[in-house]
Amino acid sequence: GEDVEQSLFLSVREGDSSVINCTYTDSSSTYLYWYKQEPGAGLQLLTYIFSNMDMKQDQRLTVLLNKKDKHLSLRIADTQTGDSAIYFCAERADSWGKLQFGAGTQVVVTP
Amino acid sequence: NAGVTQTPKFRILKIGQSMTLQCAQDMNHNYMYWYRQDPGMGLKLIYYSVGAGITDKGEVPNGYNVSRSTTEDFPLRLELAAPSQTSVYFCASSQGNTGELFFGEGSRLTVL
Repeated sequence: GEDVEQSLFLSVREGDSSVINCTYTDSSSTYLYWYKQEPGAGLQLLTYIFSNMDMKQDQRLTVLLNKKDKHLSLRIADTQTGDSAIYFCAERADSWGKLQFGAGTQVVVTP
Repeated sequence: NAGVTQTPKFRILKIGQSMTLQCAQDMNHNYMYWYRQDPGMGLKLIYYSVGAGITDKGEVPNGYNVSRSTTEDFPLRLELAAPSQTSVYFCASSQGNTGELFFGEGSRLTVL
């Protein structure tokens, strides 16, 4: 099974907040990431958090990390139609930069 | 800025054929990776390289080969294509410190 788990789908109304959740298994992960994939494109890094942090805010994005529960979340404030995409959670588990990805959460923003 | 460039973008192969997916990056990154993406399965690491002349297997290397003769290029070779290799392939590179990966646009391969 996946070492990184995410729900597969989220529907949200434009202007509301979106929260995407992720659980991971490797307690030695140093960095955790959120990537965004738009249709027909590669993945782009949205934000990342170092494992000694609990929270990181970057404009409309807020990342929360609960190391005890191995839980990572991404909150998108004031969700826009341009936020419709697949969002991947990933953990970095070694020094070679290899990432373990979740299956991705498809976010659909409705007017 | 080119970033990570993959070719071809689309390809249809017959079972048993071989081909090479090309990947080039112009950011002077030491680390390069090949992932495959299957629907609902996330990305799985096929092979990676930490520098010219050094490659290693990832999670799903069977049926693939790579080489890294230069810092810029990291081609992925498929020998004896099988339907199970139908997927979208992504090449990525990284400087290695924060682990941020820069992805190409992907190569969609269908094996019939």
